[in-house]
Amino acid sequence: DSGVTQTPKHLITATGQRVTLRCSPRSGDLSVYWYQQSLDQGLQFLIQYYNGEERAKGNILERFSAQQFPDLHSELNLSSLELGDSALYFCASSATSDPSYNEQFFGPGTRLTVL
Amino acid sequence: GNSVTQMEGPVTLSEEAFLTINCTYTATGYPSLFWYVQYPGEGLQLLLKATKADDKGSNKGFEATYRKETTSFHLEKGSVQVSDSAVYFCALCSNYQLIWGAGTKLIIKP
Repeated sequence: DSGVTQTPKHLITATGQRVTLRCSPRSGDLSVYWYQQSLDQGLQFLIQYYNGEERAKGNILERFSAQQFPDLHSELNLSSLELGDSALYFCASSATSDPSYNEQFFGPGTRLTVL
Repeated sequence: GNSVTQMEGPVTLSEEAFLTINCTYTATGYPSLFWYVQYPGEGLQLLLKATKADDKGSNKGFEATYRKETTSFHLEKGSVQVSDSAVYFCALCSNYQLIWGAGTKLIIKP
């Protein structure tokens, strides 16, 4: 158990809908990272928040957005969903803002299926 | 741009065999390098890392050496066990983000 929790575990929805994925980092960790893992594109970094502020941005679509709240939990919002958004979405956390030196602890993921 | 290339899987070995999973990278400067492992149905876990050239990362019998001259970070283990069956990801850190290889599935047969 990494100490990172993600809800829900599974999510099935229809094209055009909007969903929210939730992540609670390990106790004491200030950074939260979001990743998308799909069969065709592999594992891709989406976005990082550190202590409530956006820290780094990767291949995140404009239809996707995220935020980190004062209690450090984070939410990833996916809107106007398309079939290609079906994937496993991971959240990870780390103690500091620099991923060069600090281990990231991954949650179990949320499996999103868009029908 | 920055990228990571891993050998394609699946790699199938017998228990106690020697393991090598190749990883090469393209990057400006000298990024930190990582190996993460993903067991079935779980999130990724850090296996080992190296932050500068010639560093050797090691954990649970696995090793990898940061080779600047060949831009490689190959993962090795002398004697694999069935419990090592998983997907292994090589990654580099550039511009405050991890860039991942495609992953290599390892299957160990008893």
